Amino acid sequence: TQLLEQSPQFLSIQEGENLTVYCNSSSVFSSLQWYRQEPGEGPVLLVTVVTGGEVKKLKRLTFQFGDARKDSSLHITAAQPGDTGLYLCAGSTNTNAGKSTFGDGTTLTVKP
Amino acid sequence: GAVVSQHPSWVICKSGTSVKIECRSLDFQATTMFWYRQFPKQSLMLMATSNEGSKATYEQGVEKDKFLINHASLTLSTLTVTSAHPEDSSFYICSATDRAEGEAFFGQGTRLTVV
Repeated sequence: TQLLEQSPQFLSIQEGENLTVYCNSSSVFSSLQWYRQEPGEGPVLLVTVVTGGEVKKLKRLTFQFGDARKDSSLHITAAQPGDTGLYLCAGSTNTNAGKSTFGDGTTLTVKP
Repeated sequence: GAVVSQHPSWVICKSGTSVKIECRSLDFQATTMFWYRQFPKQSLMLMATSNEGSKATYEQGVEKDKFLINHASLTLSTLTVTSAHPEDSSFYICSATDRAEGEAFFGQGTRLTVV
């Protein structure tokens, strides 16, 4: 069974602060996705990383895929209240494309 | 990104009745669809993988006879919760992919409440 551990599980910060969310596994994934989910809605894809060591930036969000493709991080710079939500990492393998193993999620609250 | 639509967005039903949830890919043909269940403040748990024209593959611990999945076309999969009980109340989410190496796109979810 492939497991993804996310940390921290909950994070409450003030507007303007920086934060990092981690996603770790003992398994190798062919790709890893980060999603953001609002209450009562489905997850919305933020980014997909596929190459070990890859770094992708999406405005104030920086995503990194570990060299061994077993872990990933999401860094948010100068967080804003609009960043509040549940952040989920999910990994998939070539043999089960589209079928994702989800991490436990990180609930982020950014206070104004 | 591709659009996946779920219907209904929320449903309330009485114990013992059955509820059908639809998952449609609106602008692509979904060779595979996935059904997830999510409890409040928790992550998504995969229930089953559905391939068009074949029987769904259920994850360990998921009752096949209780959660009936039908994927009759490349744009539609349905999940029927049979003889629903209050413990079946949850947020059900589908996702769909259109090619072997493709990423999956998620529906907006269906909130099921069994009273």
